[in-house]
Amino acid sequence: QSALTQPPSASGSPGQSVTISCTGTSSDVGGYNFVSWYQQHPGKAPKLMIYEVTKRPSGVPDRFSGSKTGNTASLTVSGLQAEDEADYYCSSYAGSNNYMVFGGGTKLTVL
Amino acid sequence: EVQLVESGGGLVKPGGSLRLSCAASGFTFSGYTMNWVRQAPGKGLEWVSSLSSTNTYIYYEDSVKGRFTISRDNAKNSLYLQMNSLRAEDTAVYYCARDSRSGYAFDIWGQGTMVTVSS
Repeated sequence: QSALTQPPSASGSPGQSVTISCTGTSSDVGGYNFVSWYQQHPGKAPKLMIYEVTKRPSGVPDRFSGSKTGNTASLTVSGLQAEDEADYYCSSYAGSNNYMVFGGGTKLTVL
Repeated sequence: EVQLVESGGGLVKPGGSLRLSCAASGFTFSGYTMNWVRQAPGKGLEWVSSLSSTNTYIYYEDSVKGRFTISRDNAKNSLYLQMNSLRAEDTAVYYCARDSRSGYAFDIWGQGTMVTVSS
């Protein structure tokens, strides 16, 4: 069982928006502003999409955005495109004991 | 080009050992915390271990504590993971990943190396 809870699947039509949640506790997501999101296509390495809750690395489209309320972080993908179909994982710093934790992943399907 | 290339994976029997390597290029390796993250077949990502730039801080996921050892050679731009007492549940693709400048996010990943623990 993963430390952070994500829905196993999400879907949306091209052009629509979809939001993926990531629920932790006050010891990880709620306690630090170090939530990040990764995109992984089949057979490929993960790619950093969001870090520090809301920041986008250079080259990541602004269709991807992150937010956090309490112990739950969210990734929103706006203007869905076919190439957004992938697995998405959240992660969070969890203090010096557990250090880093991941969510179980969400498979995003573009209908 | 910023790049991480893992090697050393393979098939090993339960109880056996394996040493993974990660060769870094295109950035100042000695300035970054480095990490190992694994992914069992068909499963999600799991953080395994992290090592700070000057070896000051070392962290391990609970299930690998006492069995795995992370290390680095900044002169060779390389990260290592010595894995002992391997179990079937250690079977996974092992990724080397660089910490972002601000920390606690993995901004560069290698292509991964497969470790299979089976008799």
